[in-house]
Amino acid sequence: KAGVTQTPRYLIKTRGQQVTLSCSPISGHRSVSWYQQTPGQGLQFLFEYFSETQRNKGNFPGRFSGRQFSNSRSEMNVSTLELGDSALYLCASSPTGAPTYEQYFGPGTRLTVT
Amino acid sequence: AQTVTQSQPEMSVQEAETVTLSCTYDTSENNYYLFWYKQPPSRQMILVIRQEAYKQQNATENRFSVNFQKAAKSFSLKISDSQLGDTAMYFCAFMIYSGAGSYQLTFGKGTKLSVIP
Repeated sequence: KAGVTQTPRYLIKTRGQQVTLSCSPISGHRSVSWYQQTPGQGLQFLFEYFSETQRNKGNFPGRFSGRQFSNSRSEMNVSTLELGDSALYLCASSPTGAPTYEQYFGPGTRLTVT
Repeated sequence: AQTVTQSQPEMSVQEAETVTLSCTYDTSENNYYLFWYKQPPSRQMILVIRQEAYKQQNATENRFSVNFQKAAKSFSLKISDSQLGDTAMYFCAFMIYSGAGSYQLTFGKGTKLSVIP
């Protein structure tokens, strides 16, 4: 069974631009969660999607948005990039998002904003 | 607000020895789940062990075991017979129900463990 994949793996953007990151969950998994990992703030929850619906959102500005497609693939978008958005963005998938199931993480996308 | 505190930013252990990583958390919820995740230098986050808060028995997975003290809100991870492959960042996390069918993971800042040959 293929694992969670994230594309691209590395990205360099300029302040003010926007970026879209993609996450393909494990086949059959309908829940996808996104996390931002920085040295200062650690791992912070961004949002969770299930069956194309955002069920939960973390404490991030509206510049951070996401969506999920009918095949459970998910994208997150960051508009008007700021230097502080430089981070490792991780996505995780699970069958339903419930804690009885393991969340499987992808390798992450390293975003650098210059 | 839910918080997770890992008071040891870095630790080291000799190969084959035992090491314990500390974690405390704060929540007003009664039903939650606790996890230890490992993130090796390759960056892929891997689940090490899981503990349901309603279970009194401490979870064990091969060389990994936890000491769960619910009243003290403490959840430490013990690694026995440490191996070089255990070198990684270790994150303590807990998961609570956040409504609309969704559960949310809250992570600690992590402990960097180095296993020395």
